[in-house]
Amino acid sequence: DTEVTQTPKHLVMGMTNKKSLKCEQHMGHRAMYWYKQKAKKPPELMFVYSYEKLSINESVPSRFSPECPNSSLLNLHLHALQPEDSALYLCASSQDLGLLKPQFFGPGTRLTVL
Amino acid sequence: AQTVTQSQPEMSVQEAETVTLSCTYDTSESDYYLFWYKQPPSRQMILVIRQEAYKQQNATENRFSVNFQKAAKSFSLKISDSQLGDAAMYFCAYRYAQGAQKLVFGQGTRLTINP
Repeated sequence: DTEVTQTPKHLVMGMTNKKSLKCEQHMGHRAMYWYKQKAKKPPELMFVYSYEKLSINESVPSRFSPECPNSSLLNLHLHALQPEDSALYLCASSQDLGLLKPQFFGPGTRLTVL
Repeated sequence: AQTVTQSQPEMSVQEAETVTLSCTYDTSESDYYLFWYKQPPSRQMILVIRQEAYKQQNATENRFSVNFQKAAKSFSLKISDSQLGDAAMYFCAYRYAQGAQKLVFGQGTRLTINP
């Protein structure tokens, strides 16, 4: 299994809603990442988890709350988002944080905030 | 700050021909790694090729090869015998050995393959 899966594929939410994005991998990878990608732009790193511990937070607003309940699962909890948070949210994983270890990306969740 | 520049927002090539995508980067580091990622219209990012900065030999993966010029801080991607399935957005990325070690992406080049 060489896949990173993400659910849901699409999500529409209001600014007062609470929702969660889910990412799963069964490759035994111990590093997992959340990226945000706006249209026609490159991905921007949000969070990095290594061995289920938060390693990097790229000064992301607290309305985004990551969680890594186990080595296969990564969640992104969303609360009180703004319309400008609408984007494609990509999850990725790598064997570990080794520099040459490639990151495998999921297909993304297309988020629209109304 | 490390930056990655892809000066060609869009490129097109005839099927079966060769195309080169350019990438330059700015860094004061001596130890780092470079990657090309492909993002087809389905949006799943796929690693195409990677290069360690300390290696002088250019990386090659089947029809994909790079021209790594460390002194010029240039890392171009050559695609030989272009195929329709090569159509995608291509991102050049840099990862440095110190500090946060995060992946920094260029703005991307959209490649169109003409049949």
